[in-house]
Amino acid sequence: SQKIEQNSEALNIQEGKTATLTCNYTNYSPAYLQWYRQDPGRGPVFLLLIRENEKEKRKERLKVTFDTTLKQSLFHITASQPADSATYLCALYNFNKFYFGSGTKLNVKP
Amino acid sequence: EADIYQTPRYLVIGTGKKITLECSQTMGHDKMYWYQQDPGMELHLIHYSYGVNSTEKGDLSSESTVSRIRTEHFPLTLESARPSHTSQYLCASSEYTTGSNSPLHFGNGTRLTVT
Repeated sequence: SQKIEQNSEALNIQEGKTATLTCNYTNYSPAYLQWYRQDPGRGPVFLLLIRENEKEKRKERLKVTFDTTLKQSLFHITASQPADSATYLCALYNFNKFYFGSGTKLNVKP
Repeated sequence: EADIYQTPRYLVIGTGKKITLECSQTMGHDKMYWYQQDPGMELHLIHYSYGVNSTEKGDLSSESTVSRIRTEHFPLTLESARPSHTSQYLCASSEYTTGSNSPLHFGNGTRLTVT
């Protein structure tokens, strides 16, 4: 069956460090992969999109990699700040639909 | 910021009642979606629409129904609410482009509690 796995344990890091979040998937052949941020009580907010033929995408302090051989995407936040604390979701686009992981909660401590 | 609006934000209702969750967007997006999300869990697609008069069921079986009479409006209706319907309901929209690589724009959700 199709599955998207994100680390269910919260990631706790110190301010200024780089946070790395993982998204693994099975039984998909996604054309695109997206990352979203979700704050408590709010809807997800789009951050970055990466295509299957792209290895890496950057936006300010954010970097996403996409390895279709490993079926994995890594999401990096450099120079993390307490304001980056949130749940981060990955989403795959496959057969006209978006499929979401359950997200990883990031806690950045001052 | 948010150009997609959901009402109500919170709803507590008794078993057997009929409810309609409202969703409107002002971006002119053709595609709209309803997702269901329980705490700490992934979003599950329950309905989507490619445009006016188009509605499709998602991958998660749902007893709800939707309609798309106007581009900007995509309401979700439960004819008879049950405690198992207690969840957060998120509405989203996106542009309808070739390959559909455009991101989803989400509302802030309706937290439904059925007692």
